[in-house]
Amino acid sequence: DIVMTQSPDSLAVSLGERATINCKSSQSVLYNSNNNNYLAWYQHKPGQPPKLLIYWASTRESGVPDRFSGSGSGTDFTLTISSLQAEDVAVYYCQQYYSTPATFGQGTKVEIK
Amino acid sequence: EVQVLESGGDLVQPGRSLRLSCAASGFTFSNHAMSWVRQAPGKGLEWVSGISGSADSTYYSDSVKGRFTISRDNSKSTLYLQMNSLKAEDTAIYYCARGAYTTSWGNWFDPWGQGTLVTVSS
Repeated sequence: DIVMTQSPDSLAVSLGERATINCKSSQSVLYNSNNNNYLAWYQHKPGQPPKLLIYWASTRESGVPDRFSGSGSGTDFTLTISSLQAEDVAVYYCQQYYSTPATFGQGTKVEIK
Repeated sequence: EVQVLESGGDLVQPGRSLRLSCAASGFTFSNHAMSWVRQAPGKGLEWVSGISGSADSTYYSDSVKGRFTISRDNSKSTLYLQMNSLKAEDTAIYYCARGAYTTSWGNWFDPWGQGTLVTVSS
């Protein structure tokens, strides 16, 4: 199984400041035949289902604010919130879909400083 | 509106069985793989099982293989998870999630249902 490791486990950021979450996979999730990275990001708020933010490592889901961006390739990925808003307080997960079983990172809790 | 809605969660004793259902609407159900993902109390997300759009392929995590069975009825746009020989460590919120594609491989998940709580305890 591919192990996904996120860092940090939690971070506190001031409103309007940048939040950066890292995700590392135990093996590459880049599929050479189509040059796509099989990596997604989700936002999970208490009492709500997880919400898809990013797929193919950097493609923003429709309706997701453009302050959310994804980057990286191979084994190292980043989710950036360019200007943190109060409604962004949540736990964020990366997920690889390169191979079965799909696996998630342990989650990163984002709070307001 | 595309949505999925789980049902069937309950308090059940160890060793007993339970069947979860997930009703889908707003999209062509057979065109999408479906998965079950769970979250144990205080823990992260764990993929449990997936099934292709045509139901010709099914996959399970090692933690549930041999005890859980995923199935779907495309005529009813409904996904199921039959859970047998339940253990305390199966206690979790179980989410139904739509895969991006019809194949059970290579999918991100969107949307997710609200989840249904399964508690395994004597």
